[in-house]
Amino acid sequence: AQSVTQPDIHITVSEGASLELRCNYSYGATPYLFWYVQSPGQGLQLLLKYFSGDTLVQGIKGFEAEFKRSQSSFNLRKPSVHWSDAAEYFCAVRRSGTSYGKLTFGQGTILTVHP
Amino acid sequence: DVKVTQSSRYLVKRTGEKVFLECVQDMDHENMFWYRQDPGLGLRLIYFSYDVKMKEKGDIPEGYSVSREKKERFSLILESASTNQTSMYLCASSPSSGGFGEKLFFGSGTQLSVL
Repeated sequence: AQSVTQPDIHITVSEGASLELRCNYSYGATPYLFWYVQSPGQGLQLLLKYFSGDTLVQGIKGFEAEFKRSQSSFNLRKPSVHWSDAAEYFCAVRRSGTSYGKLTFGQGTILTVHP
Repeated sequence: DVKVTQSSRYLVKRTGEKVFLECVQDMDHENMFWYRQDPGLGLRLIYFSYDVKMKEKGDIPEGYSVSREKKERFSLILESASTNQTSMYLCASSPSSGGFGEKLFFGSGTQLSVL
């Protein structure tokens, strides 16, 4: 069965510092890859996704992610974190051939931003 | 503005009660989903529906059933609530196709406590 692992449960960074959130997946072929963000008290919002093509994808709010097939990873990055980025971040995958939206999510990474 | 609305933000029920969680979307989406969110476990798919009266089990369907009588409404039913079903329940919808436009739209969630 496919799985998604986010090794870091909780990350703390200072405002203005760079950020990288890790995501690894286990699946034979290249899946469809997603990052979602959940701000306190709100529903999840799509940040970005990767289906094929350029392995570096840009998303909303200044986030980007890089797909590395050799490492089965899809890490999320941001060069300079803002206090409003404090939230929980979820990596998710969908196998090709499965229904739209039928995702397997990682455990989530809580991001705390210090002023 | 597109919306997925869950009828209750907080719900407290007693063990053995039958519980209904309601979700309505206004985007004419074919697919609707119920996920359960628990700390450290991320989101896990309970059930999803790809059309009216059509449903498919997700990863953790035990103890749950669903109903989709109309396209815009998807209900999650706990036939006999148990304490281990205390959790945050998230409803989501998506179109059934559309190439690179794939995206889940989430409701704000229902925090269910079973006492």
